[in-house]
Amino acid sequence: GAVVSQHPSWVICKSGTSVKIECRSLDFQATTMFWYRQFPKQSLMLMATSNEGSKATYEQGVEKDKFLINHASLTLSTLTVTSAHPEDSSFYICSATTGTSSTGANVLTFGAGSRLTVL
Amino acid sequence: GQNIDQPTEMTATEGAIVQINCTYQTSGFNGLFWYQQHAGEAPTFLSYNVLDGLEEKGRFSSFLSRSKGYSYLLLKELQMKDSASYLCAAMDSNYQLIWGAGTKLIIKP
Repeated sequence: GAVVSQHPSWVICKSGTSVKIECRSLDFQATTMFWYRQFPKQSLMLMATSNEGSKATYEQGVEKDKFLINHASLTLSTLTVTSAHPEDSSFYICSATTGTSSTGANVLTFGAGSRLTVL
Repeated sequence: GQNIDQPTEMTATEGAIVQINCTYQTSGFNGLFWYQQHAGEAPTFLSYNVLDGLEEKGRFSSFLSRSKGYSYLLLKELQMKDSASYLCAAMDSNYQLIWGAGTKLIIKP
């Protein structure tokens, strides 16, 4: 089946530095990818929709200058957390639409996630 | 506002049956998803319902009542590997997924 590869799985960085997270679609092309953030024991929160070749669409409350998204090819989207601070520590997950269910819904396949810890 | 409610935690015994309920309020409705998420991992797709009724898929079944804004996930013949969080997500009229906080299912021998 379709695989979404996300890297790195874990990252620890110092406050003020920038961190880049990559999301790749393997064996399929993803014109649209989604970036989520999940705090412990909370639900997934959609941060932005990444569209190949155009600007990402950010959800309300998500700072586009802080969370830079680049979707330069049909198989790669990147999320860069700029000037990271401890409150940005979270689990970041990407996903792509990889098919339809038996009842016709678009099914999301998720990357394995990236756990960011900002010291 | 839009809201998804599901229990925070449930405990069940290996080999038994458990039902995880989910109620939703969304602006418009385009279907209800269930995902399984093991600790520290990304969610994986389990089921999708857009019509009323029960969808059966092996040991897992999902039910939807649109008039009641209600869904449940039924897990039969529970196995230890079923210990995970189960996320309910409703799709609104803009095709945005609204996620519940997840139900942590603990399976005991």
